[in-house]
Amino acid sequence: QVQLVESGGGVVQPGRSLRLSCAGSGFTSSNYGMHWVRQAPGKGLEWVAVIWYDGSNKYYADPVRGRFIISRDNSKNTLYLQMNSLRAEDTAVYYCVRDPDDYFDYWGQGTLVTVSS
Amino acid sequence: QSVLTQPPSASGTPGQRVTISCSGSSSNIGTNTVNWFQQLPGTAPKLLIYSNNQRPSGVPDRFSGSRSGTSASLAISGLQSEDEADYYCAAWDDSLNVWVFGGGAKLTVL
Repeated sequence: QVQLVESGGGVVQPGRSLRLSCAGSGFTSSNYGMHWVRQAPGKGLEWVAVIWYDGSNKYYADPVRGRFIISRDNSKNTLYLQMNSLRAEDTAVYYCVRDPDDYFDYWGQGTLVTVSS
Repeated sequence: QSVLTQPPSASGTPGQRVTISCSGSSSNIGTNTVNWFQQLPGTAPKLLIYSNNQRPSGVPDRFSGSRSGTSASLAISGLQSEDEADYYCAAWDDSLNVWVFGGGAKLTVL
């Protein structure tokens, strides 16, 4: 069965960096686009970034463009999110999500990132 | 302020039919397909509807989606207590080159 497991969250000071990982299993990752979606405490869902199945294209939400980098290693079935220059407003649960064809079919359980001094 | 507009709340009694709207523009819903998600309290979101009106396997046919112009709707018939959750719509926006979500609608089963 399809599983997505995020890791790498934690407490980090403003201005510092953090890298999230998402390990996929039960499917061949090179056949799917992948997203990061976040949810601040008590708030709604916010799309963060997408990477195409082969890594050839990447798109970012305005609040993170220039600070976050999405990447993938299909040989390891793993998705990454490098988060730099973190701000308090980046505090959220970060979900990785699989995309077969312009829809979000499987979500991980999420990893919490807290940006605080 | 979300690009897609949803009512913040909706409610109904068991057995009723409720609808949740999602209003967008020509660059998102007017051009691209709409996804709907259900988020039960304390859990990750789950895909409910994709491509405007398609249900993934395992989603009951009580849930249905539609799109007309720059708006979309999620309908839930035969409302059950376990349907109490937050519901979100999403679509790709061709002008912004980003995915946009609605602010979410909290469904209460009275």
